[in-house]
Amino acid sequence: NAGVTQTPKFRVLKTGQSMTLLCAQDMNHEYMYWYRQDPGMGLRLIHYSVGEGTTAKGEVPDGYNVSRLKKQNFLLGLESAAPSQTSVYFCASSLRAGQGVTEAFFGQGTRLTVV
Amino acid sequence: EDKVVQSPLSLVVHEGDTVTLNCSYEVTNFRSLLWYKQEKKAPTFLFMLTSSGIEKKSGRLSSILDKKELSSILNITATQTGDSAIYLCAHPGGAGNMLTFGGGTRLMVKP
Repeated sequence: NAGVTQTPKFRVLKTGQSMTLLCAQDMNHEYMYWYRQDPGMGLRLIHYSVGEGTTAKGEVPDGYNVSRLKKQNFLLGLESAAPSQTSVYFCASSLRAGQGVTEAFFGQGTRLTVV
Repeated sequence: EDKVVQSPLSLVVHEGDTVTLNCSYEVTNFRSLLWYKQEKKAPTFLFMLTSSGIEKKSGRLSSILDKKELSSILNITATQTGDSAIYLCAHPGGAGNMLTFGGGTRLMVKP
């Protein structure tokens, strides 16, 4: 059971470089999310998607872009990395809620350092 | 804007102790409250609470929601070193059920 898979697991970037983080889920979930986690700040939502071809901004979207061309994949891009983007990034997915709510499942995280 | 606050920020206890972690929330349209445990990597789901006063239990862990007080507690009895982790509380909101997380409680259980 793969669940939610993120690649890469670690990356070091120089300021100004670009990169793409890939998230893939095999649970046929409609909703997908990108969070970042910084010490003492919990997880904060960067962008999310409620379905293939749709994306929306979360709490901290600046400096990031996303795309959801296929239902199972959600890509997070950094066009010009900055040291403030040093963080641990988590992708998550969940089922569409009918009358209720379902829990989100998380990937193993990507530790990104921008020097 | 939804807000979730957890206390304490961190806690150090000895094996066998009982701990209570707190989560309070201010949200526009309450749906549920979720608890996660995060060890070294991904948060893993513990409980989802939707109804006030009904305890959810899993082994030594239990949780209950109080909608009047806009809060929830997570209890861990007879703690073990394997319980050392960050415990996160979250509320799903908005069109995409996005989780708003509290800052987490870092629990360390010493042998």
